[in-house]
Amino acid sequence: QKEVEQNSGPLSVPEGAIASLNCTYSDRGSQSFFWYRQYSGKSPELIMSIYSNGDKEDGRFTAQLNKASQYVSLLIRDSQPSDSATYLCAVNNAGNMLTFGGGTRLMVKP
Amino acid sequence: DAGVIQSPRHEVTEMGQEVTLRCKPISGHNSLFWYRQTMMRGLELLIYFNNNVPIDDSGMPEDRFSAKMPNASFSTLKIQPSEPRDSAVYFCASSMDRGQPQHFGDGTRLSIL
Repeated sequence: QKEVEQNSGPLSVPEGAIASLNCTYSDRGSQSFFWYRQYSGKSPELIMSIYSNGDKEDGRFTAQLNKASQYVSLLIRDSQPSDSATYLCAVNNAGNMLTFGGGTRLMVKP
Repeated sequence: DAGVIQSPRHEVTEMGQEVTLRCKPISGHNSLFWYRQTMMRGLELLIYFNNNVPIDDSGMPEDRFSAKMPNASFSTLKIQPSEPRDSAVYFCASSMDRGQPQHFGDGTRLSIL
């Protein structure tokens, strides 16, 4: 079983819709959670960090964390074609390193 | 502020040759990470350093791979001898400390013929 799991997608949403990206993790001791965006041929770029249960909003992005369910999600409101990318979930593990999920490919169609 | 700087951006070489990838972390960051990314295996952690000391190299695929961090502003990842299956994008990332957000360089796209 992978430590951090994501649906590989592709997740296809129409422009203007809400895109919902999900991630589950296995290490109950994890304390820090991150979302990275990776455009094709580019490096991962940090877009959100979340450390406590609940929601954290930053512009069109909302990260949601539920430690009891070991679940973290990223919502993208008013999706734009420029949001089309692979989104990587990263979780810190017991060794205080980040473990990355396999990523979800998002496609926003005009 | 300058981000993580990697060189070269692209490397094409023949099987059996030595390959050296270079990384300059963000100034003030104590932790440095080397990753490899392929379509099949995704993003894999190869090795990480904390305060210039290698902490965990369990991700290094085999003895052909070695990494050094002689000072806080420079690290190398070396493959000798290189093989076609080493072809991948190699990323270097740094963070202020372990568990903190990591910031990635632009990567080195390595092709071994």
